[in-house]
Amino acid sequence: GAVVSQHPSWVICKSGTSVKIECRSLDFQATTMFWYRQFPKQSLMLMATSNEGSKATYEQGVEKDKFLINHASLTLSTLTVTSAHPEDSSFYICSARNTANTEAFFGQGTRLTVV
Amino acid sequence: GDSVTQMEGPVTLSEEAFLTINCTYTATGYPSLFWYVQYPGEGLQLLLKATKADDKGSNKGFEATYRKETTSFHLEKGSVQVSDSAVYFCALYNNNDMRFGAGTRLTVKP
Repeated sequence: GAVVSQHPSWVICKSGTSVKIECRSLDFQATTMFWYRQFPKQSLMLMATSNEGSKATYEQGVEKDKFLINHASLTLSTLTVTSAHPEDSSFYICSARNTANTEAFFGQGTRLTVV
Repeated sequence: GDSVTQMEGPVTLSEEAFLTINCTYTATGYPSLFWYVQYPGEGLQLLLKATKADDKGSNKGFEATYRKETTSFHLEKGSVQVSDSAVYFCALYNNNDMRFGAGTRLTVKP
């Protein structure tokens, strides 16, 4: 299957700083990318959907100014957690699909710890 | 909006037992249905999928049939192994939107 690479796998940052997470599709053009957040022992929560070249669509309750999503190319989307706080600590997962696929391919996830 | 309801866990089985994890959905139109698996400490992997009614997805001994009349996509395996211990997510894809069930943690004991 197609490969999605997410980087970094884990990151520890200080409260108040910003963290950028990258999601790359390595062997296909990702017209749509999804960003999820997963709390411990809970399901995935869709944060936003982004289509290449347009603004992301955020789910209700997700602060767009705090979780900045950029999908500037067909192979790269980034999620920036701005002014991170301990409650932002979580496992963030991206997924990507192109127009030919009905399924989404997932990155390996990024564990963010804000101290 | 679209949604997925998944059997709550955790589920604990002995090796070689039969597994069923129920999944039902609510959606407009004709969604694609998936089962994803998350092994301990890892990200999500696609386990199987079905894109239209009556399709059966299968992989690694797991099966699920897309039942439009009952809006269900139950996951089954005839004989589980310890290595099947993981969290299983039912999901649907519809109108450029993907929704997941709550996940079911499966533990298989030797």
